[in-house]
Amino acid sequence: DTGVSQDPRHKITKRGQNVTFRCDPISEHNRLYWYRQTLGQGPEFLTYFQNEAQLEKSRLLSDRFSAERPKGSFSTLEIQRTEQGDSAMYLCASSLALPLKGPYEQYFGPGTRLTVT
Amino acid sequence: QQQVKQSPQSLIVQKGGISIINCAYENTAFDYFPWYQQFPGKGPALLIAIRPDVSEKKEGRFTISFNKSAKQFSLHIMDSQPGDSATYFCAASATDNYGQNFVFGPGTRLSVLP
Repeated sequence: DTGVSQDPRHKITKRGQNVTFRCDPISEHNRLYWYRQTLGQGPEFLTYFQNEAQLEKSRLLSDRFSAERPKGSFSTLEIQRTEQGDSAMYLCASSLALPLKGPYEQYFGPGTRLTVT
Repeated sequence: QQQVKQSPQSLIVQKGGISIINCAYENTAFDYFPWYQQFPGKGPALLIAIRPDVSEKKEGRFTISFNKSAKQFSLHIMDSQPGDSATYFCAASATDNYGQNFVFGPGTRLSVLP
């Protein structure tokens, strides 16, 4: 078990460019979450997947954001036409959700720090 | 009502002392309360968690105290060490929220002086 991994760890981009981040969850975990964390704040929920299905999206997730988990394993988060306000740490977490066995511990990856110049 | 409040914002403790961080919530549907530790440049790491059917849970030097009627819970770090210097986040989730996404507090930056 290598834990949750994220790539890249750092990304610097110019305003208006598109960026894509990848998350590889713990292998047997069926749930995958994306959070955003700005400096000095706690993580804020963006969206989550149960296997390949995206089941919930936060109001924070504007139309410029899209997430996928095509085979129920890794996930990608794409931000189109980046803005300076998108600068943040993007965190991925995963959990193993079994019927009637909640609540489920979430394990976080190291995050991708995005800087939009 | 989704908010989780956390205090203090920062805390300085001498080595060997007790660090206490407090959180409060409003949503009575919350029924799972984890604490996470985060070092600079790293993702949050799960420390300890509690459900409201118990008032206290202890794991090593870390203890969660839970007061359901007051809708408050706290983290106690006994015999604090310089290696405990990090930012601590409380969080809450509701089992009846299918996704069980966490609502995090704003964090407490702990510094333990040698």
